[in-house]
Amino acid sequence: DADVTQTPRNRITKTGKRIMLECSQTKGHDRMYWYRQDPGLGLRLIYYSFDVKDINKGEISDGYSVSRQAQAKFSLSLESAIPNQTALYFCATEGHRLDYEQYFGPGTRLTVT
Amino acid sequence: QKEVEQNSGPLSVPEGAIASLNCTYSDRGSQSFFWYRQYSGKSPELIMSIYSNGDKEDGRFTAQLNKASQYVSLLIRDSQPSDSATYLCAGGSNDYKLSFGAGTTVTVRA
Repeated sequence: DADVTQTPRNRITKTGKRIMLECSQTKGHDRMYWYRQDPGLGLRLIYYSFDVKDINKGEISDGYSVSRQAQAKFSLSLESAIPNQTALYFCATEGHRLDYEQYFGPGTRLTVT
Repeated sequence: QKEVEQNSGPLSVPEGAIASLNCTYSDRGSQSFFWYRQYSGKSPELIMSIYSNGDKEDGRFTAQLNKASQYVSLLIRDSQPSDSATYLCAGGSNDYKLSFGAGTTVTVRA
């Protein structure tokens, strides 16, 4: 089984709909991250969490919210989806405080029409 | 200005040649650097990490770091078609976040 899983893997939704992307990990890592990837822009950080009680905004958090339900689960919500949120979304985990070595889930391809 | 910049590519090399990828960073507080490989439609996969000035070799991959020049590079020796992918450079700073470059796409011609 994969260490980091994301659901759904693909999603098409309409403008204005609320959508939740979920991430689960079995690596036992404390730190979890949500990124979006757009062609030519690389990976941009949306939110990150160092433990269940610690949630932080990344560089592009507007229009998104997150919930850290447990050490192993970190969900990303789009409260009212808009077309420019069409992107590939990745969850990542990180274990060692000093290493910054991140392990990525398989990604969710989200299309907002 | 983006914190991590990569030579945009794309880069095409013949099989067996050396592929050279470059990355510069603007945050002098960055201490740790990483190269991720991403196949089309897949998630990034960590292939190299480097923390000190100099070279670090792992198989056919060599990462080079020069903190004075704020420069990181990745050499892929004896390039194989399976090396065809996008390579992402990332830097970690004291705020425990990674900044990623936009990536360089490498194609190895058989």
